[in-house]
Amino acid sequence: AQSVSQHNHHVILSEAASLELGCNYSYGGTVNLFWYVQYPGQHLQLLLKYFSGDPLVKGIKGFEAEFIKSKFSFNLRKPSVQWSDTAEYFCAVNRYTGANSKLTFGKGITLSVRP
Amino acid sequence: GAGVSQTPSNKVTEKGKYVELRCDPISGHTALYWYRQSLGQGPEFLIYFQGTGAADDSGLPNDRFFAVRPEGSVSTLKIQRTERGDSAVYLCASSSESGGYNEQFFGPGTRLTVL
Repeated sequence: AQSVSQHNHHVILSEAASLELGCNYSYGGTVNLFWYVQYPGQHLQLLLKYFSGDPLVKGIKGFEAEFIKSKFSFNLRKPSVQWSDTAEYFCAVNRYTGANSKLTFGKGITLSVRP
Repeated sequence: GAGVSQTPSNKVTEKGKYVELRCDPISGHTALYWYRQSLGQGPEFLIYFQGTGAADDSGLPNDRFFAVRPEGSVSTLKIQRTERGDSAVYLCASSSESGGYNEQFFGPGTRLTVL
């Protein structure tokens, strides 16, 4: 069964600091990769996704992620965080089967940004 | 346009009671998913519908859980003889038929509390 590991449970940063959140998955086949964000009191929103092509993908609000197939990783980055980035971040993967399929999520990382 | 909606937003019930949770997907989305999110965890897959039929119900924890989608749009998750361990946020997501490159759009969830 596929699984997703997110390395830190809680990250605390000051505004303008750089951010990198780790994500590793354990499925050896073709996968689609996602980062979702959940702001306080809001529902899950897609931050960015990787299906194929350029392994460096850019998402909303200045976030980007790099797919490294050899490392089974899809780390999320942002050069300079803002207080409004305070949220919970989930990495997710689904197997590419040519049809829709379920997402497997990591446990999530809580990011707290100090103003 | 309207996103995924879920009702009720909160449900408090007593152990042993029956509950129904409703999901209205984005109009035109053929795929509908149910996930469950416990405190401190990422969403966990329960069941996935493609149209009216359950394409994958491997995540349902036991036979107390059942879901239907009779007309291929609205879905209801039904839990019989609720237990305290069923307390969680139940999330619904929908996606369009896109040949395996599906982005899932999430609703706000129903927070179920079993006393």
